[in-house]
Amino acid sequence: DGGITQSPKYLFRKEGQNVTLSCEQNLNHDAMYWYRQDPGQGLRLIYYSQIVNDFQKGDIAEGYSVSREKKESFPLTVTSAQKNPTAFYLCASSHLGGELFFGEGSRLTVL
Amino acid sequence: GEDVEQSLFLSVREGDSSVINCTYTDSSSTYLYWYKQEPGAGLQLLTYIFSNMDMKQDQRLTVLLNKKDKHLSLRIADTQTGDSAIYFCAESEGYSTLTFGKGTMLLVSP
Repeated sequence: DGGITQSPKYLFRKEGQNVTLSCEQNLNHDAMYWYRQDPGQGLRLIYYSQIVNDFQKGDIAEGYSVSREKKESFPLTVTSAQKNPTAFYLCASSHLGGELFFGEGSRLTVL
Repeated sequence: GEDVEQSLFLSVREGDSSVINCTYTDSSSTYLYWYKQEPGAGLQLLTYIFSNMDMKQDQRLTVLLNKKDKHLSLRIADTQTGDSAIYFCAESEGYSTLTFGKGTMLLVSP
């Protein structure tokens, strides 16, 4: 089945720790995205990538890092510099200029 | 920058029609989208409309676009309890990233 897979679905982290969220797609999409969702805030763009080995900052990139070494994969690292990391993280992919397809999300909780 | 506004909450009875409204500011918007999010899940594309159209119908869904007023609406006919979810309006300009509204929570009561 074609789609986007995010893992883990739930993740707990102690303050000061980095954590990496996985996002894999087998839709042969060029573009991939990471969004953060907080209650009442909608979706805010963290990073996006339109081609392998290249990525762009979104609206709230501070405290996050990404890599795009393969077309299928776009992992997101939430670093200890992110002051309020508890949130629901959504990965998406698309053909360039096309509709976004979303994964099921990863919920990160900082203890 | 671009902005997309939606009302936050809508409550309807099962069988009634639901209308979710959205306004946007970017006059260069090319595509306008409606996404649905069920609790704890990702977003699913419901429908989209090109900016040169004023209406699109897909089964129970009707999208109306007033480009002059930059107003988009989603009408769900014969709303069911399974339609309860958060609905997001989004816009993009060609190959740019999407800008999402904050979402409208639709609650359908029996």
